Amino acid sequence: AQKVTQAQTEISVVEKEDVTLDCVYETRDTTYYLFWYKQPPSGELVFLIRRNSFDEQNEISGRYSWNFQKSTSSFNFTITASQVVDSAVYFCALRDTDKLIFGTGTRLQVFP
Amino acid sequence: GAVVSQHPSWVICKSGTSVKIECRSLDFQATTMFWYRQFPKQSLMLMATSNEGSKATYEQGVEKDKFLINHASLTLSTLTVTSAHPEDSSFYICSARENPPAWVRTEAFFGQGTRLTVV
Repeated sequence: AQKVTQAQTEISVVEKEDVTLDCVYETRDTTYYLFWYKQPPSGELVFLIRRNSFDEQNEISGRYSWNFQKSTSSFNFTITASQVVDSAVYFCALRDTDKLIFGTGTRLQVFP
Repeated sequence: GAVVSQHPSWVICKSGTSVKIECRSLDFQATTMFWYRQFPKQSLMLMATSNEGSKATYEQGVEKDKFLINHASLTLSTLTVTSAHPEDSSFYICSARENPPAWVRTEAFFGQGTRLTVV
């Protein structure tokens, strides 16, 4: 079965701390896509990254970085030097053929 | 990037009435649109997949007669919550994917969501 697990329900950090959000997935497909989305309090979903299963290179975008490890079926997301504006719920998702399967989300609170 | 517009952003309605939510792709054609529901502090659950010109495909446990989906054009899908009840109060969000072949290189783009409160 296709499944995405985000074991961390809620994380609180103080500004400038680094924080890593975990994502573990299950799939029988050999070709698949993984995503991270940010959902601020206003509710909209903001696309952060897409990674396909053939590309295990880690990616860095500003303060954001992603670590994709097929061996452990994980796609973790790190925010470096966190800021208050990073406070949001973050969802990891797996594309199953035509649909996105979401994890339960991790609520990140960054305090000043 | 591609823009998906959802309207209204919030609505309050009386129990027993129907509410229509619109999802539009503004700068691309979307053969497929998806409707999700999100209860407070929970994840997004796919309700149905909407294909232009054909019947929507509903996920298990979602009542098709209660949640009517119409995808009449390549830029518009609507979700109508019929005879709404307080337990239907939720955040509804749509997403749209560009026509093939572009879809294999794109992620689904999301609307801003609609917060429905049934009183």
